[in-house]
This record gives sequence, C-alpha cells and structure tokens, in this order.
Amino acid sequence: AQSVTQLDSHVSVSEGTPVLLRCNYSSSYSPSLFWYVQHPNKGLQLLLKYTSAATLVKGINGFEAEFKKSETSFHLTKPSAHMSDAAEYFCVVSANQAGTALIFGKGTTLSVSS
Amino acid sequence: GAGVSQSPSNKVTEKGKDVELRCDPISGHTALYWYRQSLGQGLEFLIYFQGNSAPDKSGLPSDRFSAERTGGSVSTLTIQRTQQEDSAVYLCASSLVSLLAGGYNEQFFGPGTRLTVL
Repeated sequence: AQSVTQLDSHVSVSEGTPVLLRCNYSSSYSPSLFWYVQHPNKGLQLLLKYTSAATLVKGINGFEAEFKKSETSFHLTKPSAHMSDAAEYFCVVSANQAGTALIFGKGTTLSVSS
Repeated sequence: GAGVSQSPSNKVTEKGKDVELRCDPISGHTALYWYRQSLGQGLEFLIYFQGNSAPDKSGLPSDRFSAERTGGSVSTLTIQRTQQEDSAVYLCASSLVSLLAGGYNEQFFGPGTRLTVL
C-alpha cells in the first residue's frame, strides 16, 4: 500500500535561511510523488512532481525536491526562505499507477520569521 | 480561465440534517475528485469520477456519503444525517486524464467548503 510520512508537523526558519521539509514514502511500485502548498484561505497548489524522470525535481518559487529510492525519501528544499513561503506543505503519493487518487501526508506548517 | 469553484464556501448545519456540496470543475476536465480535510487528519480521498466510467467510491467513509456527477461536469457531494465528526473542509479537484502510459495530469483544487455540524 502507498503511504507518506511527513516527519515534522511544524518547521520554523528565519528569512534568508534554508528550508528543509522532510517526507518519507512507502510504495509497492515506482511511485509518483508530489508536494502541494496551501496558503491561508487559499486552495491547494502543486509545487512540483516526480514521475520517474529526473530524480531532482525543480518546482515553482525556487523549491526543489530530490527523489532518493534508497532512502525512500522525497524531501523539499529551498536555499533561502522568503516571508511569503509561510504556508502548509503536503507531501503526496499517488495511490495508484494511474495517478487518479492521491494520498496526502498530514502536512508541515512552515513559519518564516524576519 | 476560471478555476475549480465550490459552493457554498461555508455551511453550518445541525446534527441529523442532510447537506449538499457543489463542485464546478474546470471546463474540459474529465476527471473530478472529492477530498476531505479534517483538523489533525490531513486530506483524505473520498471519490473519483472519470468520464462515463463507474466512479471510484473507495474513499467514502460511510453509506451516509454519496456523490453524483451530472452531464460529466458539475458534481454534488451529499452527506445524509450529518454527524459532528463530518465537520471538515471538503475539497474538490479536477484534471485532464493522460492517455499516455505513465502520464500524469495535475489536479487543480477548488477553495473548499467548510462544513460545521453543530
């Protein structure tokens, strides 16, 4: 069965410092993995996706994630946090190979201080 | 163009009442999904519609929950005899469906309906 675990429920960083949001996955086949972001009072937005192409995936707003099969991880990183990055982030795995159902992690709230 | 829209944005109801939540997908998107976002529980998949195929109802938590999609466009999620544990944000998403093996089409999410059962 497919599952994801987000290792931190809350991450706090200072503006201009690196961001690391951790995600481990479990999959019985080669997974499709995603990161979504949800800003307060706004809908979910896709940040980036991994679908068995390059293992280092670049997304919007300077975020990237690396698929590491040996570690079953898909951590989200950004070199320098901005105040506007404060939001909730979800690591997501496709529940089936067709990608028609998504399994969401419980989310990581990112706080950015000035 | 217009994104996924949902109505109402907020719904407060009394325990035991039925509620209907509406989703208007992006025009041309053949796939439509419902999710529930509960506090402390994250998002959970409820149901998936694709074209004229039978829907995937594997995520519906009980037989009080049902959904339909008329004309391959608008969808309604109905919760009968609501319970307090049904309180959550209900999210709808739509996507194209890739015809390519291994392909994936992004799911676009609506703003959600916040349901509060008193």
